[in-house]
Amino acid sequence: GAGVSQSPRYKVAKRGQDVALRCDPISGHVSLFWYQQALGQGPEFLTYFQNEAQLDKSGLPSDRFFAERPEGSVSTLKIQRTQQEDSAVYLCASRVGETQYFGPGTRLLVL
Amino acid sequence: DAKTTQPPSMDCAEGRAANLPCNHSTISGNEYVYWYRQIHSQGPQYIIHGLKNNETNEMASLIITEDRKSSTLILPHATLRDTAVYYCIVRVEGRRGSYIPTFGRGTSLIVHP
Repeated sequence: GAGVSQSPRYKVAKRGQDVALRCDPISGHVSLFWYQQALGQGPEFLTYFQNEAQLDKSGLPSDRFFAERPEGSVSTLKIQRTQQEDSAVYLCASRVGETQYFGPGTRLLVL
Repeated sequence: DAKTTQPPSMDCAEGRAANLPCNHSTISGNEYVYWYRQIHSQGPQYIIHGLKNNETNEMASLIITEDRKSSTLILPHATLRDTAVYYCIVRVEGRRGSYIPTFGRGTSLIVHP
């Protein structure tokens, strides 16, 4: 069946530009997670949704980062006024039971 | 929160068993050990998890010591496609009961011909 998909796969942004990253989880998965992965590092937790409710956003690095999942399926991670340090791979995962299923990620490069 | 320690890198010959160690000496009694791997340019992929008994599935085996302070992931017949970063994770309870996998740097496994 279809896995978690993310779009775009690659994004180049100028510093100060706003970006929106999309995640389509596996159908029926209630839980959805966003992670940020810097080069050479493991994924770092950003935020977690259960259906449309954002239950944990403790990992969001600043108020420039905002995530939503208004209908409990597709989620969007928005980064306002991007900075060079935002350059990373942004991973989305959905979960059933104890297992997380990750998407391929969006590679963001801020120039 | 229980933390894990893994060697930064390992290598293995194709066809041989790859044994990846993980220390989690501060693990608590009800925390599971999970393993994921991440092949270059892909998202992490779940491999296996366990509590205290050894586990086996079609991908790997997980051996957990009796005191649960360490574990070993075994790939019985490594192939070139098993080259990846392997993450050992102990379940971390987030807010409102959510489970947030906390990834470290993992072990970079290189399988060579």
